[in-house]
Amino acid sequence: DIQMTQSPSSLSASVGDSVTITCRASQGVSNSLAWYQQSPGKAPQPLIHAASFLQSEVPSKFSGSGSGTDFTLTISSLQPEDFATYYCQQYHSYPYTFGQGTKLEIK
Amino acid sequence: QITLKESGPALVKPTQTLTLTCTFSGFSLTTSGVGVGWIRQPPGKALEWLALIYWNDDKRYSPSLNSRLAITKDTSKNQVVLTVTNMDPVDTATYYCVHRRVRGIFDIWGQGTMVTVSS
Repeated sequence: DIQMTQSPSSLSASVGDSVTITCRASQGVSNSLAWYQQSPGKAPQPLIHAASFLQSEVPSKFSGSGSGTDFTLTISSLQPEDFATYYCQQYHSYPYTFGQGTKLEIK
Repeated sequence: QITLKESGPALVKPTQTLTLTCTFSGFSLTTSGVGVGWIRQPPGKALEWLALIYWNDDKRYSPSLNSRLAITKDTSKNQVVLTVTNMDPVDTATYYCVHRRVRGIFDIWGQGTMVTVSS
């Protein structure tokens, strides 16, 4: 199985800040990497596919980059609704695997 | 508009078999490239992919639960059913039904259904 490791596991930031979350795969996944946002009590929602492409209607404050084993998700100009948990997921090969999540909290 | 909704028991006893149904609308599971899957999330923990079934009846399972999982589809009812045998308290989780297209991501999620395993 491909292991996905996110860092940090938790992150505190203020409204208006920009943050970056990292996701590392235990082996190369090309660009088959997605990011999801999960607010408390809600189902995850897709943000990014193919490492850097925004899902429809996702604001441009979210951006992704990377290829192979190292990926990043950057969120700029944080707003209250952005404080949530973020997951990366590889869909390069079965079994599809998720990172452990990064909880973004308000400072 | 694509929607998916999970249904099933909220409580099962250890060793019992869990049967979950995903009822969907806005797409057909006879369309080339379309798949429906299941993902679960124990309370306070990360997401775990379980299974996928595609329009051509190709099925994929998580190796860690492979022997306990079965996924089927009923295209006439627009439903996908997941069964999990020999349930254990560690299987307590919210179970999500998801839509994907081949080579795509899990782009549409159901609201999830919480299943507790307890005697």
